[in-house]
Amino acid sequence: SYELTQPPSVSVSPGQTARITCSGDALAELYAYWYQQKPGQAPVLVMYKDTERPSGIPERFSGSSSGTTVTLTIRGVQAEDEADYYCQSTDRSATYHVFGAGTKVTVL
Amino acid sequence: QLQLQESGPGLVKPSETLSLTCSVSGGSISSSSYYWGWIRQPPGKGLEWIGSIYYSGSTYYNPSLKSRVTISVDTSWNQFSLNLRSVTAADTAVYYCARHVRGYDLTYGYYYYMDVWGKGTTVAVSS
Repeated sequence: SYELTQPPSVSVSPGQTARITCSGDALAELYAYWYQQKPGQAPVLVMYKDTERPSGIPERFSGSSSGTTVTLTIRGVQAEDEADYYCQSTDRSATYHVFGAGTKVTVL
Repeated sequence: QLQLQESGPGLVKPSETLSLTCSVSGGSISSSSYYWGWIRQPPGKGLEWIGSIYYSGSTYYNPSLKSRVTISVDTSWNQFSLNLRSVTAADTAVYYCARHVRGYDLTYGYYYYMDVWGKGTTVAVSS
């Protein structure tokens, strides 16, 4: 089965930059998407098609892609950015959706 | 503004069927630009896609759940539903419904992502 690999955790001081990676064999040929989930809340889309930011998402969130790895970058991290972040993609037929295991971002 | 609301029993007995409905308001479920789907999250764990449906009734399921899952759509009521049969404690989770944007580009072909989510409903499987 198709898998996406994320680091379990990332720690960052306020004002610094957090980078969360997501790796998968097919990511060189498929888009990835990122969701932010705070405790007790539903996930929120923060990045789509690797680098596109939905309206309402702060500019400090950006995305990039290189080969089989995509990266969500949060510049100037704020306390409110502390959350779990999940990457998501599909298989090549676009009929199977897969999530990474999630990365917990802790703001020190 | 589009809103999704899950509803259904919060407690299901083992071996029975879990049934949930997602009501869509502020937009039509019959739009050609979207699929509609279910995602779940066991306590303390990550997200798992269950399956998705188009307004025409076309469905895609997670292979790991396919033998137990049926997703249906009712365009007249602007809602879609999840049935998960023969549940066990492992099916205890928060269940979310979500709208899937359906797009196409020449680089990667069809793509889908979940842009609007319901708040989620907790379902426990226990006798």
